[in-house]
Amino acid sequence: NAGVTQTPKFQVLKTGQSMTLQCAQDMNHEYMSWYRQDPGMGLRLIHYSVGAGITDQGEVPNGYNVSRSTTEDFPLRLLSAAPSQTSVYFCASSYTGRDGYTFGSGTRLTVV
Amino acid sequence: AQSVTQLDSQVPVFEEAPVELRCNYSSSVSVYLFWYVQYPNQGLQLLLKYLSGSTLVKGINGFEAEFNKSQTSFHLRKPSVHISDTAEYFCAVSVSRNNNDMRFGAGTRLTVKP
Repeated sequence: NAGVTQTPKFQVLKTGQSMTLQCAQDMNHEYMSWYRQDPGMGLRLIHYSVGAGITDQGEVPNGYNVSRSTTEDFPLRLLSAAPSQTSVYFCASSYTGRDGYTFGSGTRLTVV
Repeated sequence: AQSVTQLDSQVPVFEEAPVELRCNYSSSVSVYLFWYVQYPNQGLQLLLKYLSGSTLVKGINGFEAEFNKSQTSFHLRKPSVHISDTAEYFCAVSVSRNNNDMRFGAGTRLTVKP
């Protein structure tokens, strides 16, 4: 049981480049979310999903896209990276949300 | 939307002393409340949660928290801390009608000194 797996762990991008952060869970959780963590700001919700084919925007969705074609996978796409997107990104999953979320170990992204 | 304020950004404490990490929330509807812990270079781990019922909830590692609806607070406590409790602690809130939209506080850095 691997839990929530995020890849890559580290990434450096140039401004304007695109990339996809991968997230996979093997717990058959319906709920999945993406957060970004910045110093002094806690975690902010980017996008979330309540099941395959269903996604919605969180607090800070601009510049990011998501899709949920399977229960297991929830990739986050940066369309045109900007320095303001330098952050640590966490993927999380849950059965119902109210039981609490299981977090991945994070992806540290630097945009130069 | 709901929001969370963690009143202390840093809390230094000596080993075996008690500690309280303060959290206040804002919401116009009923809420679910959570405390998470983050050790260096790791993801977040659930410490405890309040959904309904008893206002005193117990979690892992000897932590407990008390839900106070009148004061809109959910403070985290431990009677005697260890060096290994040094970490960042996050309070989070979601509303019962939308479990997905969980909002986090800015975090409290707990440092336990020998």
